[in-house]
Amino acid sequence: AQKITQTQPGMFVQEKEAVTLDCTYDTSDPSYGLFWYKQPSSGEMIFLIYQGSYDQQNATEGRYSLNFQKARKSANLVISASQLGDSAMYFCAMREGRDTDKLIFGTGTRLQVFP
Amino acid sequence: EADIYQTPRYLVIGTGKKITLECSQTMGHDKMYWYQQDPGMELHLIHYSYGVNSTEKGDLSSESTVSRIRTEHFPLTLESARPSHTSQYLCASSLGGHQPQHFGDGTRLSIL
Repeated sequence: AQKITQTQPGMFVQEKEAVTLDCTYDTSDPSYGLFWYKQPSSGEMIFLIYQGSYDQQNATEGRYSLNFQKARKSANLVISASQLGDSAMYFCAMREGRDTDKLIFGTGTRLQVFP
Repeated sequence: EADIYQTPRYLVIGTGKKITLECSQTMGHDKMYWYQQDPGMELHLIHYSYGVNSTEKGDLSSESTVSRIRTEHFPLTLESARPSHTSQYLCASSLGGHQPQHFGDGTRLSIL
């Protein structure tokens, strides 16, 4: 079974609008962490936001926020006020368990922002 | 900004050559990782290290090898490159736990 599932291969959004990128995860470990990364066409991976399984509040970083629904095992990324520079691949990743730092990545969502 | 560097950025080379991809970080992180990524696909962990003289294979089997003689340096070697090794290779480092992994710019490797 897939540990991290990103069901949207591609998304389009108009500039200045908000967009939600979906991520669901599968783990039986009560301790885990969820990360979102952005990968522009140049190839580097840019860390955006982190949510720990015990965090009480949804994480926010500037225009990025994480809609964390623990019971549904979902950790959707919300980008507010989209900009043309937000066009990129977005990957959700999970660190599973307390004793590992390895990340498991989803297949990614390609976001395209149009004027 | 994370200080992790990968060289070369691009490499096109013939089959059978020995290749070393360099990765260095100046953050003093004990934990370092190598990922392989085909175009438009997810990242797969191929090697990781939790400190000097410690290396482990990742979840994706790879013919490459790694070494960790110094904290800041984590090179990846392919003894005899083949076209199936064509991919992007990304190096990362972290403090671990809830801290994110910081990535280099990657090496795009093409074996002819």
